[in-house]
Amino acid sequence: SQQGEEDPQALSIQEGENATMNCSYKTSINNLQWYRQNSGRGLVHLILIRSNEREKHSGRLRVTLDTSKKSSSLLITASRAADTASYFCASRWGVTSGSRLTFGEGTQLTVNP
Amino acid sequence: GAGVSQSPRYKVAKRGQDVALRCDPISGHVSLFWYQQALGQGPEFLTYFQNEAQLDKSGLPSDRFFAERPEGSVSTLKIQRTQQEDSAVYLCASSFSGQGVVGTDEQFFGPGTRLTVL
Repeated sequence: SQQGEEDPQALSIQEGENATMNCSYKTSINNLQWYRQNSGRGLVHLILIRSNEREKHSGRLRVTLDTSKKSSSLLITASRAADTASYFCASRWGVTSGSRLTFGEGTQLTVNP
Repeated sequence: GAGVSQSPRYKVAKRGQDVALRCDPISGHVSLFWYQQALGQGPEFLTYFQNEAQLDKSGLPSDRFFAERPEGSVSTLKIQRTQQEDSAVYLCASSFSGQGVVGTDEQFFGPGTRLTVL
């Protein structure tokens, strides 16, 4: 399969707790991106981390990248019910804009109010 | 436009029928991608256009799948003689930059077309 792997496949937490999702990929990358997908909707870009970066923050999101282990993690702090969605990592190996995104299988996050 | 739009949002086809799915990218975006997303899975790449040129079609699963973008804007994904395994959500994405630009530009996704083949 061209896809990477994410774990857990499903995560259920209470509002206010932190949620951590992990992603592994198979090839060398130029950057790795995280997307959110609400049920029946398209993908929304959350954050991008380049291969020479180790950590990046955006609001309540924190992404780490370990290229030696070919893995990344997404942390959502102080979760809200509105964060309930599927989260996908997507790796990009090429440097041109035509290079495809290779998606993981996703983590279904449920935040209970 | 405000974003990438796709039509129809839902399509039910009988096995063997041909279908055509439309994507309207963000105005001025050079790159356009098609992805296929099976239920419970992440999207998988199908094909890529830079303006009207189809530069990568390595992800198309069979010769029943055909995509075009004749004027470098709207794109159509056509599936001939649909099979049940074609049932999926078909996502279109566009990005501003073209070939040669460092690929950190964001891809903007449409809402997708959910295809169900009976």
